Amino acid sequence: SQTIHQWPATLVQPVGSPLSLECTVEGTSNPNLYWYRQAAGRGLQLLFYSVGIGQISSEVPQNLSASRPQDRQFILSSKKLLLSDSGFYLCAWTPGDTEAFFGQGTRLTVV
Amino acid sequence: DQQVKQNSPSLSVQEGRISILNCDYTNSMFDYFLWYKKYPAEGPTFLISISSIKDKNEDGRFTVFLNKSAKHLSLHIVPSQPGDSAVYFCAAPTGNQFYFGTGTSLTVIP
Repeated sequence: SQTIHQWPATLVQPVGSPLSLECTVEGTSNPNLYWYRQAAGRGLQLLFYSVGIGQISSEVPQNLSASRPQDRQFILSSKKLLLSDSGFYLCAWTPGDTEAFFGQGTRLTVV
Repeated sequence: DQQVKQNSPSLSVQEGRISILNCDYTNSMFDYFLWYKKYPAEGPTFLISISSIKDKNEDGRFTVFLNKSAKHLSLHIVPSQPGDSAVYFCAAPTGNQFYFGTGTSLTVIP
C-alpha cells in the first residue's frame, strides 16, 4: 500500500535560520507531489507541486523553495526563515486527479 | 482567487442532530468534489467524494449533495457524534491542482 511520510512533526526555528522539511512516498512511482500550508482563514494553500524529478511549479511567491531530488522525495526549504513562515505545512501526493493523500504535517514555529 | 469557498468558519451542533456543512465553487469546469476531515496537528484525511454526474452520494452517516446549477455542495452528517468534531475542507481537483475551501470547524456538543 502507498504511504507518505513527512518529518519532523514539530519544529521551532529562530528567524534567519534555514529550513528543510522532507516528504517521502512509498508504494508508488512517479507520484504528483505537493506542499501545502494551512493558514488561518485561507484553508490549504498550495505552495509547490511537482510532476516529476526536478520539475517544480511554484504557486505562491514565498520565502520558500522546493526540490525533488528523487522520484518519491519532496523537500521544502528556506535559506532564511521569517516570522511569517510560521504555520502548518502539509505534504501530499496524488495518483491522478481524483484524490490527494496527506502526510501528518509539520507545525513550524519561527521565533 | 478563491475558487472553492466555505463561508461558515465554524459550526456547533448537538450530539445526535444533523450537521450540514456547505461549500460553493465558481469554476463550472470542476467535475469532481471531495470532503476532507482534519484533526489538529494531523494531515487531512479523505471522507467522501461526489462526481458531477451525480447529485448525491452516501457513505454511512455521511452524505454529500451536489447542486450543479447553484455551484453548491453540502456535507450532511447524521447523527452527529462528538468524534466528528474536526475541521472539514471541501476540495475540487483540476489538472495538477487541488483547490480547497477555507474549512469549517465543526464542534459536536455531547
